[in-house]
Amino acid sequence: DGGITQSPKYLFRKEGQNVTLSCEQNLNHDAMYWYRQDPGQGLRLIYYSQIVNDFQKGDIAEGYSVSREKKESFPLTVTSAQKNPTAFYLCASSTLTINTEAFFGQGTRLTVV
Amino acid sequence: AQKITQTQPGMFVQEKEAVTLDCTYDTSDPSYGLFWYKQPSSGEMIFLIYQGSYDQQNATEGRYSLNFQKARKSANLVISASQLGDSAMYFCAMREGGDFGNEKLTFGTGTRLTIIP
Repeated sequence: DGGITQSPKYLFRKEGQNVTLSCEQNLNHDAMYWYRQDPGQGLRLIYYSQIVNDFQKGDIAEGYSVSREKKESFPLTVTSAQKNPTAFYLCASSTLTINTEAFFGQGTRLTVV
Repeated sequence: AQKITQTQPGMFVQEKEAVTLDCTYDTSDPSYGLFWYKQPSSGEMIFLIYQGSYDQQNATEGRYSLNFQKARKSANLVISASQLGDSAMYFCAMREGGDFGNEKLTFGTGTRLTIIP
């Protein structure tokens, strides 16, 4: 089945540690996105990528890093520089045409203690 | 300035009634797409409906329709005959055309819809 997979579903980390969230898609989509969602809030764009080995900062990129070494994969690293990393993280992918919807993963809930 | 504005943080609607969720947007790009997503408590994002800036007719998908008023820059979602399963967060989103590398998808803050039996 085609889709987008995020892992793990729940993640706990100690303060000051870097952590990497996985996102893989087999939809052959060129564009991939990372969003952060805080409780009761909307989705804020962290990073996005339209092509392998290239990515752009979104609205809240500080304290995060990404890579796009393969078309299928777009991992997100939450670094120790991120002041308040506890949140729900959603990965999405889409084609490059504006009239197609983005497909989302199931999300990763990160809790930093 | 906000690209997507949803002014209703929460709404309560009686089952079987119709409901309209408001969305206004801001763009100077003549080519753009507008999307509505539903997010149940499980957290998954479910695509509902799409409207293109050049579409002449309002989009419809089953019980969902989009009231697109281009001059007012509004794209309200209408759910007819609401059901208990419609209780969820609803997000409006926009994707602008522009140059390559600018097709990011921007979301509003969402509306929490609760259907009352």
